[in-house]
Amino acid sequence: EAGVTQSPTHLIKTRGQQATLRCSPISGHTSVYWYQQALGLGLQFLLWYDEGEERNRGNFPPRFSGRQFPNYSSELNVNALELEDSALYLCASSPGRSGRADTQYFGPGTRLTVL
Amino acid sequence: KQEVTQIPAALSVPEGENLVLNCSFTDSAIYNLQWFRQDPGKGLTSLLLIQSSQREQTSGRLNASLDKSSGRSTLYIAASQPGDSATYLCAVPSGSARQLTFGSGTQLTVLP
Repeated sequence: EAGVTQSPTHLIKTRGQQATLRCSPISGHTSVYWYQQALGLGLQFLLWYDEGEERNRGNFPPRFSGRQFPNYSSELNVNALELEDSALYLCASSPGRSGRADTQYFGPGTRLTVL
Repeated sequence: KQEVTQIPAALSVPEGENLVLNCSFTDSAIYNLQWFRQDPGKGLTSLLLIQSSQREQTSGRLNASLDKSSGRSTLYIAASQPGDSATYLCAVPSGSARQLTFGSGTQLTVLP
């Protein structure tokens, strides 16, 4: 069974540009989570999607946004890139809103570098 | 607000040694606790998940314990190997929400 996949592996942008990161969850999983791992800051929660809707977002500015498609894959968009957006962006999936928290399975990440 | 702390931040041990990694959390109202492994520049690999009703969970050489009342979990690694070298992270769901709050991790180095 395929795990969580993310694309691209690496992304290099300049300040002010937009970045789009993609995630495909494990087959059968309906929940997708996005996390940011910036150097020295640890893993921070960004967004949670389930059944096509945004369920929760972390303490990030509105230029971080995303969506979930009918096939449960997800896209993270970062507008007006700033140098401090350089980080490893991790996507995770879980079976869905079963009433309690489930194991989250993580993808390999997208390394975003903002120059 | 849930806060997760991991001690020590780094640990270096000789091959074959048994070791314990510590994780503490401030809000004991958790559904579960998850331990992950992260190799440099890579994603996270789920190692163990302990439900709030459990005290221990084992997988191979790994054993994780959970004491909700004291807000602590430990990850025991038996007979460590150089391939165990990685950063180990613990995480808990944040209250009624589903997203995980992570500790800052313990960087483990197992010397041959």
